[in-house]
Amino acid sequence: GAGVSQSPRYKVAKRGQDVALRCDPISGHVSLFWYQQALGQGPEFLTYFQNEAQLDKSGLPSDRFFAERPEGSVSTLKIQRTQKEDSAVYLCASSLPGASYEQYFGPGTRLTVT
Amino acid sequence: KQEVTQIPAALSVPEGENLVLNCSFTDSAIYNLQWFRQDPGKGLTSLLLIQSSQREQTSGRLNASLDKSSGRSTLYIAASQPGDSATYLCAVRDGANSKLTFGKGITLSVRP
Repeated sequence: GAGVSQSPRYKVAKRGQDVALRCDPISGHVSLFWYQQALGQGPEFLTYFQNEAQLDKSGLPSDRFFAERPEGSVSTLKIQRTQKEDSAVYLCASSLPGASYEQYFGPGTRLTVT
Repeated sequence: KQEVTQIPAALSVPEGENLVLNCSFTDSAIYNLQWFRQDPGKGLTSLLLIQSSQREQTSGRLNASLDKSSGRSTLYIAASQPGDSATYLCAVRDGANSKLTFGKGITLSVRP
């Protein structure tokens, strides 16, 4: 079966533009996570969904960041009025429900804000 | 707040060496620990998952151990190959359904 897919793979935005990043999880995975990875750093948690419910958004760095998963499958991470410090790789992961299951990661979207 | 540390940040070894990558975490109340591999410009590939009740997991030339009480995990790579060159990240999961907290990774270079 297919793994986690993300699109676009690369995005260049001018400062102030809005962007939308898409994540398609593995079929049947009810848990979905977004992480942000700055250059040379480990990924940092942004937000978590179980089905369509956003259970934890404590990692979103500002109110310019918004995530949704309206039908409990595909998720979109939206960043409004992008800033240079938003430049990073945005990783999506999915898993079966429960703490004992592995998280499977997509290839990421590399966002560059100029 | 959970913190995960991986030292050193980079490691270079000749092909064929057995090596150990270290990971430490500050809060021992974890559900599990996962080791990942990341190639340049790519996403994360899961290597091994160790549940909190387990002491080790093995997959091929890889063996990961977990000592919860001391807040440490090691990833052992036997007979290293140039294809093992990548960044290795460890991550801990603190609670049911919760996020992973990652270290910064160890960039491994295996010289032919």
